[in-house]
Amino acid sequence: DTAVSQTPKYLVTQMGNDKSIKCEQNLGHDTMYWYKQDSKKFLKIMFSYNNKELIINETVPNRFSPKSPDKAHLNLHINSLELGDSAVYFCASSQATGTVTGNTIYFGEGSWLTVV
Amino acid sequence: SQKIEQNSEALNIQEGKTATLTCNYTNYSPAYLQWYRQDPGRGPVFLLLIRENEKEKRKERLKVTFDTTLKQSLFHITASQPADSATYLCALDRGFQKLVFGTGTRLLVSP
Repeated sequence: DTAVSQTPKYLVTQMGNDKSIKCEQNLGHDTMYWYKQDSKKFLKIMFSYNNKELIINETVPNRFSPKSPDKAHLNLHINSLELGDSAVYFCASSQATGTVTGNTIYFGEGSWLTVV
Repeated sequence: SQKIEQNSEALNIQEGKTATLTCNYTNYSPAYLQWYRQDPGRGPVFLLLIRENEKEKRKERLKVTFDTTLKQSLFHITASQPADSATYLCALDRGFQKLVFGTGTRLLVSP
C-alpha cells in the first residue's frame, strides 16, 4: 500500500492554465506538507497543514492555494501557471507537528510539472 | 542568513569502502537533524534522525554524528554497496516541523 500518493505524476501544461495536484496519505498522520524541488534539486517547503489547519505558509505566490478537505488529503491548486513553476512537487506527511518533535516525514513520489 | 551546505560534487567510492558525507550549517541552532536518501525520480526517504544532545546514532551500516559546536553532521555508510548509490540530503528543524533541506550530495559506489 502506498503511504503518500499524489496524482498526477507527470503534468505538462501551457502558461496561463490552472492545474491541481492531489495528495492522499493513509498513514493516519495529522500533518501534511507540500514541498517544491527545483531544477537544482533544492527541496523547499511551501505549506504545511495540521488537522486541516494551515500551519506553515512560506513565501509562495498567491497563485498557489492548498486545500485540505480532511486530514488525509492535501491538494495543491495553481492558477495562471508560469514557466518558473516548472518543478517537482512533493506531498508529504508526518505524525504531528510541534516546536520540537523530530518526526519522520514521509514523502510521496512527486509530481513533475512542466509549464511550456 | 540561515544556510545548509552539502558537498555539491558527487562522491565516488569503491564498493566495500566507507562513504562519508558532510552537512554544515550556519546561523541555526537546530534541535535535531535528519538524513534522507533520494533516488532519481523518487521522493526522499527518511534514514536517520539525531538530536542535539546526541553525539552519534547508528542504524545497521549507517552512522550519523552531530557536532553542534562545529555546526556539522557527518553521515557514514560502511561497507558501501552499489545499491547505496543515491543522493543523500540532510535536513534541519526550524521549529514546527519546518524542515530545511540541504541540496544533497550524490554518492556513486562502483563495483
